[in-house]
Amino acid sequence: EIVVTQSPATLSVSPGERATLSCRASQSVSSNLAWYQQKPGQAPRLLMYGASTRATGIPARFSGSGSGTEFTLTISRLQSEDFAVYFCQQYYNWPRSFGQGTKLEIK
Amino acid sequence: EVQLLESGGGLVQPGGSLRLSCAGSGFTFSSYTMNWVRQAPGKGLEWVSGISADGGSTYYADSVKGRFTISRDNSRNTVDLQMNSLRAEDTAIYYCAKDKGCSTTSCYPVLDYWGQGALVTVSS
Repeated sequence: EIVVTQSPATLSVSPGERATLSCRASQSVSSNLAWYQQKPGQAPRLLMYGASTRATGIPARFSGSGSGTEFTLTISRLQSEDFAVYFCQQYYNWPRSFGQGTKLEIK
Repeated sequence: EVQLLESGGGLVQPGGSLRLSCAGSGFTFSSYTMNWVRQAPGKGLEWVSGISADGGSTYYADSVKGRFTISRDNSRNTVDLQMNSLRAEDTAIYYCAKDKGCSTTSCYPVLDYWGQGALVTVSS
């Protein structure tokens, strides 16, 4: 099973600033990595797939990069609605493991 | 509009069984892999199980293998999760989620639509 690790666990950033979230896989997953956003009391929402392709309706301030084992989600010019928990998930093989999440909070 | 509606959650004693169901609408259900993902209270996401579009292939997390069974009925647009030998650590919100599927050039087995979840509580 591929283990996915996210860092940091909590990230404190001010509105209008940039946030950088990291995700690492225990073995290469090529570009088979997705990012999800989850707000309290809601189901997760797909943000990014193929490491760098935004899902439908996702604003351009969200960008993804990386391949192999190291990935990054960057949110430029943070807005109030962006403060949430973010999960990455590898889909290179089964089981499709998630990282433990990064909570993005207002500084 | 794509909709996924879970049902069947509730309180069950350790060692007991429960069956979750997810009804899909607004898309061609029989064309997509379907999944179950769970989230324990205050914790992260855990992928639990997946089933191919035709039901011919099933996949499980090690934590539930041998206890849970996923199945689907494409004539009724439903996917079920039969959960046996339940443990306290199975307590979670269980989400049904649809694979994004394939474009003309590539397939993307990511979860593009999710239900609102069904709460399963395992406790005596």
